[in-house]
Parts: sequence; C-alpha cells; structure tokens
Amino acid sequence: GIQVEQSPPDLILQEGANSTLRCNFSDSVNNLQWFHQNPWGQLINLFYIPSGTKQNGRLSATTGATERYSLLYISSSQTTDSGVYFCAVVTGGGNKLTFGTGTQLKVEL
Amino acid sequence: DAGVIQSPRHEVTEMGQEVTLRCKPISGHNSLFWYRQTMMRGLELLIYFNNNVPIDDSGMPEDRFSAKMPNASFSTLKIQPSEPRDSAVYFCASSLAWRAFFGQGTRLTVV
Repeated sequence: GIQVEQSPPDLILQEGANSTLRCNFSDSVNNLQWFHQNPWGQLINLFYIPSGTKQNGRLSATTGATERYSLLYISSSQTTDSGVYFCAVVTGGGNKLTFGTGTQLKVEL
Repeated sequence: DAGVIQSPRHEVTEMGQEVTLRCKPISGHNSLFWYRQTMMRGLELLIYFNNNVPIDDSGMPEDRFSAKMPNASFSTLKIQPSEPRDSAVYFCASSLAWRAFFGQGTRLTVV
C-alpha cells in the first residue's frame, strides 16, 4: 500500500515562531488532507488540498502532487497550536484515507 | 450541525464481554469511516461505508469485529468477545465530497 511519511516527528517552538511540516507519499494521490489532533484527542480537519495552495488564517498548505509531497506552514505559532499534525491521503479509487505517522508539535511560552 | 456524534465517550469492560460503539454521522454525508488509534499502530482504517454499503473492510482485524450501517444516520461497531489488545481510541468519521470530519472518539479499555 501507499507509504505516508511525515517530518519532523517532533518539534518544539517558542510562541511566535514559524514552522514547516512535511508530508511525503509514495504514490500519486487524488485526495490529501491535513488534520490537527489537539491535546484532548479531537481530530480537526484543517485542509483538503490534493494540489495547489490554500490559506486559512495563520495556517497555509501546499501540495506538489507530481512531486508527491505536501507542506503545512504555521506562522506566529501559539500554544493552542500544540498537538499532533497528520496528513492523510487517498490513492486510486475509493475513499480510503491512509494517515501518516504525524508530527508532534509543542509550542512553549 | 452538531458534527459527528459518538457514544459512549469512554468504555471499560472485562475481557470476553461484548462491546458496541455507536456513531451518528453529519447529516447529508454519504461516507462513514471507523478508525482505531493506538500508540503502536497510529490511526488505522477499520471499515468504510458509502451510501450505507460497506466498501472496504480489509482493516477489520478479525471476525470478532463487525460493523453495520442500517441507515444514513447511524452506524455501530461491535466487538465480541473483547480482548485486552482491543484497547484503543475508536473514531468515527463522515464525509461528503472527500473532506472527512471526525467524532470525538470512544476510549475503550478492556481489562
């Protein structure tokens, strides 16, 4: 099956810093989403971005479908950004989302 | 919309007992997914439905697990008999046109 690798696995930031999270996948995809799992365990859908670039407030994402990667940018990080960030992809037909291993982010004061 | 609703939020049961997890998807969504999350294996897709029909159940670990979707607004995941290795957080998600939204999960502990 498709492999989804995320980097870095762990990241610690000072509040106000910017960061870039990366997602690499081993096959072409027709669906890519980014999720944030907050410290209470809730999974929040951040972006649906199979290609191109999108922005939502301090967050933006870009996907290079041909190059098989996606990036999530967090600007002016806040403590509420802490948690685990997952990318998830669908390849081929169907609707089966395969999740990456996640990036654990901690934002400190 | 209230989002995806799962119940119970927490379940503690003894090994060998039957466990039923419940999910109400977002109204109008036509796909429903059951995921399991553990530290060792991360987020794994167990089964998903399109228009109430099971499409891919290749992630269901064994015959002890079963899932049903009798109508567009309700799904169950049943484990019978439960085992300690089934302890995990079970998520239900629903989607329309690709984008998936998750419930708050059920934390299952089998002792």
